[in-house]
Amino acid sequence: LAKTTQPISMDSYEGQEVNITCSHNNIATNDYITWYQQFPSQGPRFIIQGYKTKVTNEVASLFIPADRKSSTLSLPRVSLSDTAVYYCLVASANTGNQFYFGTGTSLTVIP
Amino acid sequence: DAGVTQSPTHLIKTRGQQVTLRCSPKSGHDTVSWYQQALGQGPQFIFQYYEEEERQRGNFPDRFSGHQFPNYSSELNVNALLLGDSALYLCASSLVRQPQHFGDGTRLSIL
Repeated sequence: LAKTTQPISMDSYEGQEVNITCSHNNIATNDYITWYQQFPSQGPRFIIQGYKTKVTNEVASLFIPADRKSSTLSLPRVSLSDTAVYYCLVASANTGNQFYFGTGTSLTVIP
Repeated sequence: DAGVTQSPTHLIKTRGQQVTLRCSPKSGHDTVSWYQQALGQGPQFIFQYYEEEERQRGNFPDRFSGHQFPNYSSELNVNALLLGDSALYLCASSLVRQPQHFGDGTRLSIL
């Protein structure tokens, strides 16, 4: 299962767009990418999932280039409540396994 | 529709004791995974249960064991507790190849 690499931390001002990039050089053909958000003392919460190109939902967008060796989570106009840790996972489409969380990216939104 | 529920929310044990943590999956989910999350770290995969059998296991010793019941609920048992077992224990439920839904965990403290 492909491991992932993310920046340890990021800061952003309220109202700005935040882009968090994840590297997954060893992603397999059938693997897909999933992002989770976690607040302190809570379990991770699913944000978005994709296989290639671009996926958008009501809270985020996910951009995946053609080689799929990286992906970028985009959070539009962040607010203070978006301060959290964000995890990128690579999941196997064959087994559905998505177990490796890594250390995540700690995002701090500044007023 | 209740999400994933875990009990107890907090627990204090001493070294050498045994502990059992419980998890009720989200309605309709048949797969349960357990994670250990130390302070400041990402969740570490312990094991996954499906159809009452352990399907996948992470790099944890045999002191960590589990069970899944016919109603899909699950237990995590840890024997011979060590100080290093202090952590937030997370349960996640899912359907195959679907995103995981997490509970808010059990905070286990070992004295």
